Amino acid sequence: EIVMTQSPATLSVSPGERATLSCRASQSVTTNFAWYQQKPGQAPRLLIYAASTRATGVPARFSGSGSGTEFTLTISSLQSEDFAVYYCHQHNMWPLTFGQGTKVEI
Amino acid sequence: EVQLVESGGGLVNPGGSLRLSCVASGFSFSSYSMTWVRQAPGKGLEWVSSMRAGNNDIFYADSVKGRFTISRDNSQNSLFLQMSYLRAEDTAVYYCARAPADYWYFDLWGRGTLVTVSS
Repeated sequence: EIVMTQSPATLSVSPGERATLSCRASQSVTTNFAWYQQKPGQAPRLLIYAASTRATGVPARFSGSGSGTEFTLTISSLQSEDFAVYYCHQHNMWPLTFGQGTKVEI
Repeated sequence: EVQLVESGGGLVNPGGSLRLSCVASGFSFSSYSMTWVRQAPGKGLEWVSSMRAGNNDIFYADSVKGRFTISRDNSQNSLFLQMSYLRAEDTAVYYCARAPADYWYFDLWGRGTLVTVSS
């Protein structure tokens, strides 16, 4: 099983600041990798797929990079609606696995 | 409107069974692979089971293999999860999610249905 490790567990940021979230895979997942955002009481929402492609309707302040085992999600200027939990996900190999999440808080 | 709506959750005794349903609307259901993902209270996301469009290949997490069965009825735009021999650790919100052709990331999620396994 590919283990996805996210860091940090919690990121404290002020509105307008830049946030950088990391995810490491225990073995290469090439670019079969996605990021999701989840707000309290809501379902996850796809943000990034293929490691760096924004999903439909996702603002340009969200960007993804990386391949293989190291991935980064950057939020260039945090807005109030961006405070949430972010999960990384590999779909290169079964079983599909998620990271444990990074909570972005004010 | 493009959406997925889950139902069938509830309170069940350990060892009991439950059948979850997910109804799709607004898109060509038969063309998409589908998945169940769960989230225990206060925890992260856990993949449960997937069914590929077309050839209906099926995949299960080890934690549910032999106890859960995924199925679909394309004529009813519906995905199902039959859960048997339920355990306390199966308590979670179960989400139905759509995967684009040939890939297994999830571009559309339902709101989820809560399953509680407790006596």
